[in-house]
Amino acid sequence: SYELIQPPSVSVSPGQTASITCSGDKLGNKYACWYQQKPGQSPVVVIYQDTKRPSGIPERFSGSNSGNTATLTISGTQAMDEADYYCQAWDSSTVVFGGGTKLTVL
Amino acid sequence: QVQLQQWGAGLLKPSETLSLTCAVYGGSFSGYYWSWIRQPPGKGLEWIGEINHSGSTNYNPSLKSRVTISVDTSKNQFSLNLNSVTAADTAVYYCARDPCTGDCHHYYFDLWGRGTLVTVSS
Repeated sequence: SYELIQPPSVSVSPGQTASITCSGDKLGNKYACWYQQKPGQSPVVVIYQDTKRPSGIPERFSGSNSGNTATLTISGTQAMDEADYYCQAWDSSTVVFGGGTKLTVL
Repeated sequence: QVQLQQWGAGLLKPSETLSLTCAVYGGSFSGYYWSWIRQPPGKGLEWIGEINHSGSTNYNPSLKSRVTISVDTSKNQFSLNLNSVTAADTAVYYCARDPCTGDCHHYYFDLWGRGTLVTVSS
């Protein structure tokens, strides 16, 4: 079965750039998206179809997807961005999530 | 503003059947794919399966033998049944929508329910 691999944790200082990766076989040939989840809340999509940002999501969130890796980049990271982030893709008519990355802003 | 409201039993015994329902309020039901997704406490997200208004389904192969997702278009609702539950099925269960209209996929979920915690314990 298809797998998406994320680092369990990423740390970043306020104002710096955070990058979270998501790896999967030929992931660049699929659409990837990213969700932000804060404690006790439902996930919220921050990037969809590799690079698109939904309305209401700050411009500091951006995405890319090429080869075997999709990347979520948060520029000028703020304390409010501290959360769990999940990548997601489709493979063979099924949805696959990455294991999640806890972003710590310190 | 479209909202998803979900409900169902929160405490089950091993071997029982989990049943949850998700209702769509304030927007269109037809033309979308609707999914169930779960998250064990402290762990990641797992997709369970999806259905559209016509009843066409796709399931996670790892759960397919125990899962049934059904739809009631007259009530703008869809439901999840998961049989023979064990403690490993303890999770928050979410309903969610793929925003593509017209029997298609945009490959992400733009709308999520608030989640229902289901605990399996003897």
